[in-house]
Amino acid sequence: ILNVEQSPQSLHVQEGDSTNFTCSFPSSNFYALHWYRWETAKSPEALFVMTLNGDEKKKGRISATLNTKEGYSYLYIKGSQPEDSATYLCAFSNTGNQFYFGTGTSLTVIP
Amino acid sequence: DTGVSQDPRHKITKRGQNVTFRCDPISEHNRLYWYRQTLGQGPEFLTYFQNEAQLEKSRLLSDRFSAERPKGSFSTLEIQRTEQGDSAMYLCASSLGGLSGYQPQHFGDGTRLSIL
Repeated sequence: ILNVEQSPQSLHVQEGDSTNFTCSFPSSNFYALHWYRWETAKSPEALFVMTLNGDEKKKGRISATLNTKEGYSYLYIKGSQPEDSATYLCAFSNTGNQFYFGTGTSLTVIP
Repeated sequence: DTGVSQDPRHKITKRGQNVTFRCDPISEHNRLYWYRQTLGQGPEFLTYFQNEAQLEKSRLLSDRFSAERPKGSFSTLEIQRTEQGDSAMYLCASSLGGLSGYQPQHFGDGTRLSIL
């Protein structure tokens, strides 16, 4: 079992604040890293698939970066909105087959 | 929208009973994954299929768990002689083939299993 860690475990921010989370994974044998958003009572939704060292992906106010050599990825949310409240999960794979999920970062955006 | 569907949404059963869950993936997806998620944890990999072939199974999975994907379409996950520790959310996900690890997974809403 490969260790994937996410921090912080939970976060409360005011509407309009920008925030970021970290996903740490083994720095050897990297294949891909996925980010998902999981809202309460819904299914996890894919945000980004990151495959190359130095990758930067953006979707609206959300962006992510990847450093495979040091084994981390950052997820940034600019100008947080209440609808951004969710658990953000990262999933690491060293083969492209089995994926190892972190425990997630729970974000609450306070209006 | 024909996303991934799972049935049932909730299952309550007594310890020792067998249960079976169903997952219908997105039709053109040839990869199908099963995960288990317990409170405070991220989804834990159980197994995955490429079309009808079960290619990998977690070593954490006991012999009481079995999964099938006949004809590469829907999949079933069966748990025999359920135990209290099997109480969890069981998630199914599917993705396109090719460089599958580069494809995002599409999840169903999950089946929540409660063992009495």
